[in-house]
Amino acid sequence: AQSVTQPDIHITVSEGASLELRCNYSYGATPYLFWYVQSPGQGLQLLLKYFSGDTLVQGIKGFEAEFKRSQSSFNLRKPSVHWSDAAEYFCAVGVNNQGGKLIFGQGTELSVKP
Amino acid sequence: GAGVSQSPSNKVTEKGKDVELRCDPISGHTALYWYRQSLGQGLEFLIYFQGNSAPDKSGLPSDRFSAERTGGSVSTLTIQRTQQEDSAVYLCASSPVGTKNTEAFFGQGTRLTVV
Repeated sequence: AQSVTQPDIHITVSEGASLELRCNYSYGATPYLFWYVQSPGQGLQLLLKYFSGDTLVQGIKGFEAEFKRSQSSFNLRKPSVHWSDAAEYFCAVGVNNQGGKLIFGQGTELSVKP
Repeated sequence: GAGVSQSPSNKVTEKGKDVELRCDPISGHTALYWYRQSLGQGLEFLIYFQGNSAPDKSGLPSDRFSAERTGGSVSTLTIQRTQQEDSAVYLCASSPVGTKNTEAFFGQGTRLTVV
C-alpha cells in the first residue's frame, strides 16, 4: 500500500537560514508527489508537484524539491526562510498516480525564529 | 467563483444530530474530493466524485457518512448521528480532470465541533 512519512513533526529555523523538510514515500512505480502548505485556519495551498521528468522541481514562494527514486524521497528545500513561511507543510502522494486522491504525510510544523 | 467554496466555515452541533456540509467546486472542474483533517488522524481521504461515474467511497469511515453531488457541481457531505470523534476540519477539493497530471485545489474547510 502507498504511504508517506514525514519524520519531523516540528522544526524551528532562524529567519534567513536554509530549510529542508523530509518526505519519504512508499510506492512501486514512479509516484505523483506534492507538497502543500497550510497556514493557521486556512486550506491547503500547493507549493509544487512532481509527475515525471526533471527530478528537481521549482515551486512557488522560492521552494524547490528533489525527487530521489533511490531513496524514495521528495524533500522540500528553501535557501533562505522568511518569517512568513511559518506554517504546516504536508507531503502527499497521488493514489495510483491520481492528482486529487491523495495520501498525506502527518505534516511538519515549521516555526521561524527572528 | 475563483476558488473552492465551503460552507459553513464553522459548525457546532450536539452529539446525535445530523449535519450537512456544502462544497462549491471551481467552475468546470469535473472531479471533487472530500478530506477530513483531525488531530489524531491527520489528513484522510473520504470520497471522490468524477463526472457521472460512481463515486469512490473507499475512505468513508462509517455508514453514518454519505455524500452526494448534484448536477456535477455542488456537493454535500452528510454526517448522521454525529459523535464527538467526528469533530474535525472537513476539506473539499476539486480538479479539472480526475486523473493524470493535475492537482487538487482545496477550499478553506468547515470546522465541525460536536459537543
